[in-house]
Order: sequence, then structure tokens, then C-alpha cells
Amino acid sequence: EVQLLESGGGLVQPGGPLRLSCAASGFTFSSYVMSWVRQAPGKGLEWVSGISGSGGDTYYADSVRGQFTISRDNSRSTLYLQMNSLRAEDTAVYYCAKGEYSSASGYFDYWGQGTQVTVSS
Amino acid sequence: SYVLTQPPSVSVAPGETARITCGGNNIGRKIVHWYQQKPGQAPVLVISDDSARPSGSPERFSGSNSGNTATLTISRVEAGDEADYYCQVWDSSSVHWVFGGGTKLTV
Repeated sequence: EVQLLESGGGLVQPGGPLRLSCAASGFTFSSYVMSWVRQAPGKGLEWVSGISGSGGDTYYADSVRGQFTISRDNSRSTLYLQMNSLRAEDTAVYYCAKGEYSSASGYFDYWGQGTQVTVSS
Repeated sequence: SYVLTQPPSVSVAPGETARITCGGNNIGRKIVHWYQQKPGQAPVLVISDDSARPSGSPERFSGSNSGNTATLTISRVEAGDEADYYCQVWDSSSVHWVFGGGTKLTV
């Protein structure tokens, strides 16, 4: 059974950093692209960042490029999102999602339950 | 980057057919996927590759894609279908996954 378990969310002050983790199980982690998708309160889904199965290719939404860094540790089957210089508009539930392929494209067939990030003083 | 446009809301009576559209420039040339999200839950894939139903997706769910509009059709709508629905494509030009703004289905 595929499982994705996010952690690391919480309350952070504006300008501060936060690192999210997503522990994966039930599939060959290194064989699939992984992404982070966020949802601000009362809003729709926004793709944030993706990383190829090997970790050699990374992709970012324009809204977070230069601010967030995605990475993965295939030996630990874990996905990360390092978020720096956080702003109020980054407040959202952050979902970890498994892609269809090892490289970018396609759909997300499994999602975690999400972790809440709140940026506030 | 590529933009997907969905109506904010669609309302149907139980037993009727709901059609949720997703507009985009020549979207028929792209592959569209659909997700269902119920309150407090993670999204669930209900249609992939324009019209394929993943395992577990009810037969009442179907999809089509042509020209500038993709459509998710839900036949014989049930109260349990009430949710937000999102279309999604991969945009190779911008190397982005793109979601539509979402449509709230009220039954």
C-alpha cells in the first residue's frame, strides 16, 4: 500500500525558514517523480515544486523559485521542501504527491494527508 | 504559463448529470487529469489521460477533451459526489504542472 506521510509543518514567523519532509512507502521511491502541492485557506490547488526520480532535475513554480528548494533522499525514501524567507501568502496546507512517471509530466496518483504551514507573527 | 479556467460552481439535483468544464488554449492537444477533493481531505484522482478511470473511480465518472475545452461528466449524481473538482495538465513549455481553479459541485 502506497503511503505518503508529511511532517515539519507549523507556525513560523515571517522571514523564517521551515523544512517539510514526506516519508514514502509501498513503492520504489526512486522510480517516480515527486511533487509538493499547496492549498491556501479556502483556495484551490497550486503546484509548488517537483523533482525527478533520480533527483537530478528539479522544477519550481514561478511564485517560489529562489525561495524554496526541493530535494530527495532515495536511500531513505524521503522527499523534502526547504522553505526560506516565508511570507504570509505561503500559509497553506502542503501536500506531498507521487507522480505517474520517473520524469516530469503526467498526473499525481497518490497524495499525503498534508501538513499545515502558517506564517504569522 | 498555461492557464486552465473552470467555473467556480456547478449545481445539480440527485440523479441528474453534472458536467464540469476546464478551458485552456488548445487544451485538446494536452492530456487532462481530474481530481476530486472533499472537505478536509487530500485530492483523489478520478480521471486520468482525458478519459481513463483509475481503479476505484466509479463508472459514473467520465471525461472528454477536444478543442479548447475538457469536460468531466458525472452521471446519476449522488450526494456523496459533492466536492471540489480540479483539472490538471502538464505544460511542457513552462515545465510546470498546472491546476485549474477548481469547481465546487453542489448536489
